[in-house]
Amino acid sequence: EAQVTQNPRYLITVTGKKLTVTCSQNMNHEYMSWYRQDPGLGLRQIYYSMNVEVTDKGDVPEGYKVSRKEKRNFPLILESPSPNQTSLYFCASSLGRANYEQYFGPGTRLTVT
Amino acid sequence: AQKVTQAQTEISVVEKEDVTLDCVYETRDTTYYLFWYKQPPSGELVFLIRRNSFDEQNEISGRYSWNFQKSTSSFNFTITASQVVDSAVYFCALSEAPTSGTYKYIFGTGTRLKVLA
Repeated sequence: EAQVTQNPRYLITVTGKKLTVTCSQNMNHEYMSWYRQDPGLGLRQIYYSMNVEVTDKGDVPEGYKVSRKEKRNFPLILESPSPNQTSLYFCASSLGRANYEQYFGPGTRLTVT
Repeated sequence: AQKVTQAQTEISVVEKEDVTLDCVYETRDTTYYLFWYKQPPSGELVFLIRRNSFDEQNEISGRYSWNFQKSTSSFNFTITASQVVDSAVYFCALSEAPTSGTYKYIFGTGTRLKVLA
């Protein structure tokens, strides 16, 4: 089954404790992206990657890191999480051009206390 | 800069009513793409439709229809004879195809549609 998977689905952590949210897709998609969803703000792009070893900032990259060492994986790293990073996070992938729709993972709900 | 505006935060309708969700966009590029996604109460995001800037033909898919008008920079979504299962948050999104070859997606803030039985 074609899908985007994220882990963990739920995470509660404390300020400053490094964490990684994994994202993997099995569709051989070139483009991958991370979003955060907050009430009243919709979906905002954090980082995106056009291909292996090619990443770029979205609209809200502060406090996040990403890497793309393999085509299928695109982990999101929070080196020192803060309470304002409490949010619902989605990973997405697409074939790689602007006109293609994105396939989204199920979401990761992160709470930073 | 890119921008997508969904001015309707929440809409409530009674089942079988028609409802239109508005989407207004801003872009400097001549080549761009518009999308609608649905987020039902279960939380997943589901792709509904895409349109490119060169194709202003309206589209109908069952009870769903989309009206793309470049003159007003709008890409509105109409649900005819709404059903309770249409209750969801609907997002409009924009991506451009710059010569740099990289591109961002910009989503609107979403419209929450409640269809009451």
